[in-house]
Amino acid sequence: SYVLTQPPSVSLAPGQTARITCGGNDIGSKSVHWYQQRPGQAPVRVVYDDSDRPSGIPERFSGSNSGNTATLTISRVEAGDEADYYCQVWDSSDHWVFGGGTKLTVL
Amino acid sequence: QVQLVQSGAEVRNPGASVKVSCKASGYTFTDYYIHWVRQAPGQGLEWMGRINPDSGDTKYAQKFQGRVTMTWDTSISTAYMNLSRLTSDDTAVYYCARHIATTVSLGGMDVWGQGTTVTVSS
Repeated sequence: SYVLTQPPSVSLAPGQTARITCGGNDIGSKSVHWYQQRPGQAPVRVVYDDSDRPSGIPERFSGSNSGNTATLTISRVEAGDEADYYCQVWDSSDHWVFGGGTKLTVL
Repeated sequence: QVQLVQSGAEVRNPGASVKVSCKASGYTFTDYYIHWVRQAPGQGLEWMGRINPDSGDTKYAQKFQGRVTMTWDTSISTAYMNLSRLTSDDTAVYYCARHIATTVSLGGMDVWGQGTTVTVSS
């Protein structure tokens, strides 16, 4: 089955740029979706189809995807961005796969 | 507004079954797949499977094959997830989420239920 690999944690100060990676074999050929999950809450989609942003999601959130790595970028990080972030793709076996998640800490 | 509202928390003994419901409102129920995703305490998200409420077609993750059944009732815009032969490893929050049925891979899951906590304990 297809495997997505994320770093367990990313820490940075407010105002910096967070880059959360999602690695997978030829992931650049797939559509990647990203979710934010705050403690005790349901996930929220923040980027879909590699780089599209749903309405209501700040422009600070952006995505890219090429080769074997997809990246979620959060510019000018704020305390409210502290959460777990998950990447997701649809696998050709008609299964959906999530990455292991990355905990973003704003120092 | 568009929302998915799930049934309340459940406690089961090992070996029992649990059925969680997910009621949709604010959109045409048959236009979207319903996926089920679970999250064990302190762990990540795990996809369990999905149902197409238009056709009844289901797809289950191999891990849950033989133990999970996803059904639906179009008349009340509700999807169900039944998990049998429960063990303590099934203790988790179970979410439903919708995905537009016009594409198998695009868009992602745009609306999620609030989650249902299932506790398996003797």
